[in-house]
Amino acid sequence: NAGVTQTPKFQVLKTGQSMTLQCAQDMNHNSMYWYRQDPGMGLRLIYYSASEGTTDKGEVPNGYNVSRLNKREFSLRLESAAPSQTSVYFCASVKREYEQYFGPGTRLTVT
Amino acid sequence: RKEVEQDPGPFNVPEGATVAFNCTYSNSASQSFFWYRQDCRKEPKLLMSVYSSGNEDGRFTAQLNRASQYISLLIRDSKLSDSATYLCVVWGFQKLVFGTGTRLLVSP
Repeated sequence: NAGVTQTPKFQVLKTGQSMTLQCAQDMNHNSMYWYRQDPGMGLRLIYYSASEGTTDKGEVPNGYNVSRLNKREFSLRLESAAPSQTSVYFCASVKREYEQYFGPGTRLTVT
Repeated sequence: RKEVEQDPGPFNVPEGATVAFNCTYSNSASQSFFWYRQDCRKEPKLLMSVYSSGNEDGRFTAQLNRASQYISLLIRDSKLSDSATYLCVVWGFQKLVFGTGTRLLVSP
């Protein structure tokens, strides 16, 4: 079992470009989360999906959209990237709210 | 005031040493507490839960002090492989809040 996979691992965008970060889990969990991690700020929740077909905003949703494509896949889209979105993005598959299994992360730089 | 506060460190200790980290939280209604471990440039992983009665997992001991609103993590007989960042995590009001982490460096 792969657990949680994320693609791409690294990405460099120019301001204004768009991209989609992909996440997939094979643990049959209902809930999936997207976080960003910035130096000195800890992990912050962007969006989450409690079950297939539902999505909700987290702490820092502005500038992002999500799609829960099916039970396995939860994607994060940046429509018009900004330098403030330079960060490491982690997807998590959630067994219980506090028992979260993270993907390896996507390191995004926006210039 | 941050919801979860940790000393960023780094804590530099020799192999075999005992080291302890504290973490304070601001919401007295917080329900559950955890320690996650994050290796350099890797994803966080659940290390252990923290119970009111305290709990131990091998060389790791976690304690909760609700009155003073802090949790602690004690690592005995430190190994080189313990070098990582330890994240204090608090669950409450349908929200999981991560601290910024305490960095531990164990040297030979």
